[in-house]
Amino acid sequence: AQSVTQLDSQVPVFEEAPVELRCNYSSSVSVYLFWYVQYPNQGLQLLLKYLSGSTLVKGINGFEAEFNKSQTSFHLRKPSVHISDTAEYFCAVTTSGYSTLTFGKGTMLLVSP
Amino acid sequence: DADVTQTPRNRITKTGKRIMLECSQTKGHDRMYWYRQDPGLGLRLIYYSFDVKDINKGEISDGYSVSRQAQAKFSLSLESAIPNQTALYFCATRDGFSTDTQYFGPGTRLTVL
Repeated sequence: AQSVTQLDSQVPVFEEAPVELRCNYSSSVSVYLFWYVQYPNQGLQLLLKYLSGSTLVKGINGFEAEFNKSQTSFHLRKPSVHISDTAEYFCAVTTSGYSTLTFGKGTMLLVSP
Repeated sequence: DADVTQTPRNRITKTGKRIMLECSQTKGHDRMYWYRQDPGLGLRLIYYSFDVKDINKGEISDGYSVSRQAQAKFSLSLESAIPNQTALYFCATRDGFSTDTQYFGPGTRLTVL
């Protein structure tokens, strides 16, 4: 079975500063990795995903993530955040065959002026 | 119109009552999922269905049941609600043949008194 650990429950940051949200996974087989974002009072939407190929993945709204197999990590980064990036971010993992997703506990990104 | 809809959006009920949460989708996806979200715990899978005749238990199915009435409809029932089931519930869909992305509804906030 696979699992996901999001190391920070909250990340406060000032507007225009860079940010990194950390995600580590555990799996005995090859994985597919996802980041979803949940804006206040909304459902989740896909930010980006890694299935195969290039380990640097670019997503919507200027976010990117890098798959690191040796460190079993898939950290999310943005070079300059905006107030509108305030949301909860979830890392998720599945394996090939993809029956279900396993989500991390989420990281709340709080961007202040 | 939204592709994945959930009704009701908010519900307050009393302990012991039976309640049904409904999910409908216009995306034509074969796979549907029910999750619950609790603060600090992320999303946990309750049930999932790969087609009308294929229903599977997720991580936390105790106290819940589901019905896949049609490809487009997937309902979640709480036979006898308890306060511990107070949470935000999300339905999601996925096309098992062509995409790896799950699409989420807006959520139902359930309060059990």
